[in-house]
Amino acid sequence: RKEVEQDPGPFNVPEGATVAFNCTYSNSASQSFFWYRQDCRKEPKLLMSVYSSGNEDGRFTAQLNRASQYISLLIRDSKLSDSATYLCVVNARSASKIIFGSGTRLSIRP
Amino acid sequence: DTAVSQTPKYLVTQMGNDKSIKCEQNLGHDTMYWYKQDSKKFLKIMFSYNNKELIINETVPNRFSPKSPDKAHLNLHINSLELGDSAVYFCASSQELSRLGLQTQYFGPGTRLLVL
Repeated sequence: RKEVEQDPGPFNVPEGATVAFNCTYSNSASQSFFWYRQDCRKEPKLLMSVYSSGNEDGRFTAQLNRASQYISLLIRDSKLSDSATYLCVVNARSASKIIFGSGTRLSIRP
Repeated sequence: DTAVSQTPKYLVTQMGNDKSIKCEQNLGHDTMYWYKQDSKKFLKIMFSYNNKELIINETVPNRFSPKSPDKAHLNLHINSLELGDSAVYFCASSQELSRLGLQTQYFGPGTRLLVL
């Protein structure tokens, strides 16, 4: 089993739709969780951290489920500008254990 | 102002050569990183470094070596380049990894290395 797994997509959804991705992790000692977005030929940029109680930032909601070992990202009222690859990041405290998922490609169509 | 900068942006070189990629951050962060993103877009950590500790991913060949002249710089030196080294290399920085866990990482724009 991979340490961090994401559905690669692509997810192709119409503008205004709601879309959700999951990311599963295998290390139960993981303590830090993030969602980054990466545009084509660009560097990854932080979208949001994921907190134990779940957190929301505008149209974006992140959840953590420690029992089932996954994090999720929900995007509401999707915009064309949301088209990107979304990377989950999981860390079990040690710098050698910073694991990026392979990314989920999202394409928003007009 | 660019928070994390890398040079060069593109690097094309022959097998067997030695090359360096430079990285600078002006965020005052304590920890810097090097990542490799291959053609399948997997982003893998190579090194993490602060002024106290170098942490190396054990899968990284010893042809790769990080060099830090000061807290704001972490350069990547690669000896005897191989075809498989072709990838995008990203530098990043963050506050020090601590008992609170990993902090937000800020990435440089990447260096696209092509080994012929």
